[in-house]
Amino acid sequence: EDQVTQSPEALRLQEGESSSLNCSYTVSGLRGLFWYRQDPGKGPEFLFTLYSAGEEKEKERLKATLTKKESFLHITAPKPEDSATYLCAVGILTGGGNKLTFGTGTQLKVEL
Amino acid sequence: GAGVSQSPSNKVTEKGKDVELRCDPISGHTALYWYRQRLGQGLEFLIYFQGNSAPDKSGLPSDRFSAERTGESVSTLTIQRTQQEDSAVYLCASSPLTSSDTQYFGPGTRLTVL
Repeated sequence: EDQVTQSPEALRLQEGESSSLNCSYTVSGLRGLFWYRQDPGKGPEFLFTLYSAGEEKEKERLKATLTKKESFLHITAPKPEDSATYLCAVGILTGGGNKLTFGTGTQLKVEL
Repeated sequence: GAGVSQSPSNKVTEKGKDVELRCDPISGHTALYWYRQRLGQGLEFLIYFQGNSAPDKSGLPSDRFSAERTGESVSTLTIQRTQQEDSAVYLCASSPLTSSDTQYFGPGTRLTVL
């Protein structure tokens, strides 16, 4: 069965304190590893897609990396506006489309 | 440009009533997905539409759930005889044919069944 596990469930950082969020997965036929950000009361906002082990992508203070079994979202010198829930999802190879299986997210709080 | 829109943003209904949720995808996006997000749980896939192909309904939890889409335009998700366990946020996402892996989500409809 395809599974996605995110850790930690919640993380509290001081502004400027770098850290990493983990997403481990077991899936048969990976068609992309996705990171989204979700603010309260809103839909997930797309951040990154990674397709192969060793791939890295960056956007502002965020960097996503991928291995064969897990992905990390590194947050460098976070600011309070980075506070949100970060969701990881895997795309499953199917006959068509890209059904995503999501983890339950890491709730990040960045304090001054 | 305009993103995915969903209506209503909130819906409160009584157990046993039917509800209809609407999704307007990004213009030109051929693929459309519905997900459900229960409190404290990850998003669950419900149904997928791609152009005029038969939809993938493998995630629908029961026959009380159904969805329609006309061509590449709006979609409606219907829940009949709602139950309290149907309370959740229902999210719609669309993706373009040229980059068919990335899904862009709407703001969701929060459904509360009393």
